[in-house]
Amino acid sequence: QKEVEQNSGPLSVPEGAIASLNCTYSDRGSQSFFWYRQYSGKSPELIMSIYSNGDKEDGRFTAQLNKASQYVSLLIRDSQPSDSATYLCAVYSGGYQKVTFGIGTKLQVIP
Amino acid sequence: GAGVSQSPRYKVAKRGQDVALRCDPISGHVSLFWYQQALGQGPEFLTYFQNEAQLDKSGLPSDRFFAERPEGSVSTLKIQRTQQEDSAVYLCASSLTGVFGNTIYFGEGSWLTVV
Repeated sequence: QKEVEQNSGPLSVPEGAIASLNCTYSDRGSQSFFWYRQYSGKSPELIMSIYSNGDKEDGRFTAQLNKASQYVSLLIRDSQPSDSATYLCAVYSGGYQKVTFGIGTKLQVIP
Repeated sequence: GAGVSQSPRYKVAKRGQDVALRCDPISGHVSLFWYQQALGQGPEFLTYFQNEAQLDKSGLPSDRFFAERPEGSVSTLKIQRTQQEDSAVYLCASSLTGVFGNTIYFGEGSWLTVV
């Protein structure tokens, strides 16, 4: 079992819809959770970080964390074609400074 | 500098050749990370530096991989006797200090193709 699991997609949503991206992780002691966006051929870019249970909103993005279920998600409201990218879920479990990434979910927003 | 800078951006190496990949982190950033990203995969951790000290090298795939950061700023990832399975993007990242509570900034990567 991979430490951080994501569906590779592609996930296709129409423009203006809500895109829901999901991630599960295996280490119950994980402390920090990140969502990165990666455009094709580009480097990952941090869009959200979340540390405690519940929701965290930033503009059109909402990150949700449920530590009991070991589940983290990212909602993108009013999806735009420019949101089309691969979204990487990443988890930090403390101790050594190692962040573990999932495979990434490819999102396609259809105009 | 304004961001994490990596060079070369693209490298084609013949199997068996040695390569060196350079990373110039954001000025003042104590923490430096190297990740390997194969096509269609997420980044995989290779190694971590705090200043000049290499505190974690658990992700280096073999003893052909070596990283250094002698003066606590620029880092070099060296791959000896390259193999085809080494073909990947090598991402360098830096943060002010560590992971928790800090943003990790990635460079554009060095794309290595071994032929």
